[in-house]
Amino acid sequence: DAGVTQSPTHLIKTRGQQVTLRCSPKSGHDTVSWYQQALGQGPQFIFQYYEEEERQRGNFPDRFSGHQFPNYSSELNVNALLLGDSALYLCASSPGDRVTDEQFFGPGTRLTVL
Amino acid sequence: GEDVEQSLFLSVREGDSSVINCTYTDSSSTYLYWYKQEPGAGLQLLTYIFSNMDMKQDQRLTVLLNKKDKHLSLRIADTQTGDSAIYFCAETPGSSNTGKLIFGQGTTLQVKP
Repeated sequence: DAGVTQSPTHLIKTRGQQVTLRCSPKSGHDTVSWYQQALGQGPQFIFQYYEEEERQRGNFPDRFSGHQFPNYSSELNVNALLLGDSALYLCASSPGDRVTDEQFFGPGTRLTVL
Repeated sequence: GEDVEQSLFLSVREGDSSVINCTYTDSSSTYLYWYKQEPGAGLQLLTYIFSNMDMKQDQRLTVLLNKKDKHLSLRIADTQTGDSAIYFCAETPGSSNTGKLIFGQGTTLQVKP
């Protein structure tokens, strides 16, 4: 049983560009959350998707947007990249959107903005 | 507010016990968690405790929760070199009805042979 998978593994972009990161949830999971982990910091919640809708959002600007597809996979889009967007982006999936649903994390996508 | 604080570094000898500490500010937190992160890997859930519990034991892991002081600790008995990693404390804030997690900045555990 494949766990949470993310692509690409690494990505290098320049300031002002746009990027799309992808996540496939663990089999049987329908909820996907995205986190940003800057170097030396803990992950910060970006948003959560359930039933193809954004359920909750953290303190991130509108440059960060997402989408969930009918097969429950998800994309994170970041527009107008800033140097400060360089981070490890983690996707987590869970079998529901309740507080009691355990989240399983993928290995992350390392984004470098030059 | 929603804030989680941890000490940044802990070094122990193999076979000793490790204690990693965490404080949080949200008195209405529902669940508190400990995650482990190894290089190149995602976060692995180690254990969690519901906010109405004081203690939870799971094999070598013991979690203690002092709700009055908003203090959480993770004790690892008989620490092994394979336990070397970054450990994150996290909470589900009371204001959230989803699985949103608030993480601390992580404690790097170094285990010396």
